[in-house]
Amino acid sequence: GQSLEQPSEVTAVEGAIVQINCTYQTSGFYGLSWYQQHDGGAPTFLSYNALDGLEETGRFSSFLSRSDSYGYLLLQELQMKDSASYFCAPDTGRRALTFGSGTRLQVQP
Amino acid sequence: GAVVSQHPSRVICKSGTSVKIECRSLDFQATTMFWYRQFPKQSLMLMATSNEGSKATYEQGVEKDKFLINHASLTLSTLTVTSAHPEDSSFYICSARAGEKLFFGSGTQLSVL
Repeated sequence: GQSLEQPSEVTAVEGAIVQINCTYQTSGFYGLSWYQQHDGGAPTFLSYNALDGLEETGRFSSFLSRSDSYGYLLLQELQMKDSASYFCAPDTGRRALTFGSGTRLQVQP
Repeated sequence: GAVVSQHPSRVICKSGTSVKIECRSLDFQATTMFWYRQFPKQSLMLMATSNEGSKATYEQGVEKDKFLINHASLTLSTLTVTSAHPEDSSFYICSARAGEKLFFGSGTQLSVL
């Protein structure tokens, strides 16, 4: 089986930094993905961590600790357009991904 | 990045009718595609894996006779919701994998009256 935990909601102000945590339990693990989804839209790929450590892509960074079964998405210099839902998804070796419940991020002016 | 096209984007139908949703990979071949459904403010729930030239693999609890999946070519998968009922109203979205990334269609909002 698989379990995923993410905070359900996070609120922050423009320009701030926010961290969205994800803990997982899976029977197999190859890496951790993060996706962003705006209301009414399709999810879009943000990052994939196969190895421990921090990976940075512009304002967004993603971290993975395989030994702790834990990862996080770090969003810096928040903008209003970052208001969206963020999903973590462990890669278990299946081609399909199973998503966590998602974290709704609300950025306030 | 890879492009996945999904049609229609929105459909309203009467209870008891069937609705077909198409998903195409436009610039790559996808031997496997995935169908998800999403209720408002909830997560994406994997319904089934569509396999080119063979039967789809359904997740536990998903009725294969109700949600017919056909993957007739390397670029096209279809999901048919048969005898739709109001409880089938949802956002249906397809995806295909390229490397470690999933690319999603734009989704279909199904409303059954």
